Amino acid sequence: ILNVEQSPQSLHVQEGDSTNFTCSFPSSNFYALHWYRWETAKSPEALFVMTLNGDEKKKGRISATLNTKEGYSYLYIKGSQPEDSATYLCAFVMNRDDKIIFGKGTRLHILP
Amino acid sequence: DSGVTQTPKHLITATGQRVTLRCSPRSGDLSVYWYQQSLDQGLQFLIQYYNGEERAKGNILERFSAQQFPDLHSELNLSSLELGDSALYFCASSILAGRVDTQYFGPGTRLTVL
Repeated sequence: ILNVEQSPQSLHVQEGDSTNFTCSFPSSNFYALHWYRWETAKSPEALFVMTLNGDEKKKGRISATLNTKEGYSYLYIKGSQPEDSATYLCAFVMNRDDKIIFGKGTRLHILP
Repeated sequence: DSGVTQTPKHLITATGQRVTLRCSPRSGDLSVYWYQQSLDQGLQFLIQYYNGEERAKGNILERFSAQQFPDLHSELNLSSLELGDSALYFCASSILAGRVDTQYFGPGTRLTVL
């Protein structure tokens, strides 16, 4: 059974602080990794698609890195703002059969 | 608003029944994906269609089926419904079939099986 693990499950961060969390995935049969931001009562919204080992992507205060050899990706948020409160999901795409496997997400709460 | 529409928004039905969920992709997108989000599970990939053809299959039960029509809208059919099928069903679309294409999610259909 292929597992995509995200840690921590939940995180409380003071407004203005920076934070990061992890997505771990199988290092074999890697094709791509997607990051999504999912606000309560809304739909998941794509943040990044990452494909190459060592890839770094940035969108405003949010950035992500990828290590396919060891099977992990980090998502960083710099200077957290209340609007960053959401669940952050990663999704691993297999090389073999195009299956997409999601982690259970990291629930981020920004404290004012 | 992602441009992906799903109907209905909510659906309440009884065990043993059959329902159809509908998804219209963003204009120009050829791929449609179906996902299930239940309380105790993360988002589960069910199936992907590209330009009318099945492209990839995930954890879709045999009681469930889907299709994509010539106008590119898609339907997910759920039959012999069980209590455990109660979930939020999302549809997403992307321009092509690629595994690196950005997916745009619809608002979801909340299915409750009583």
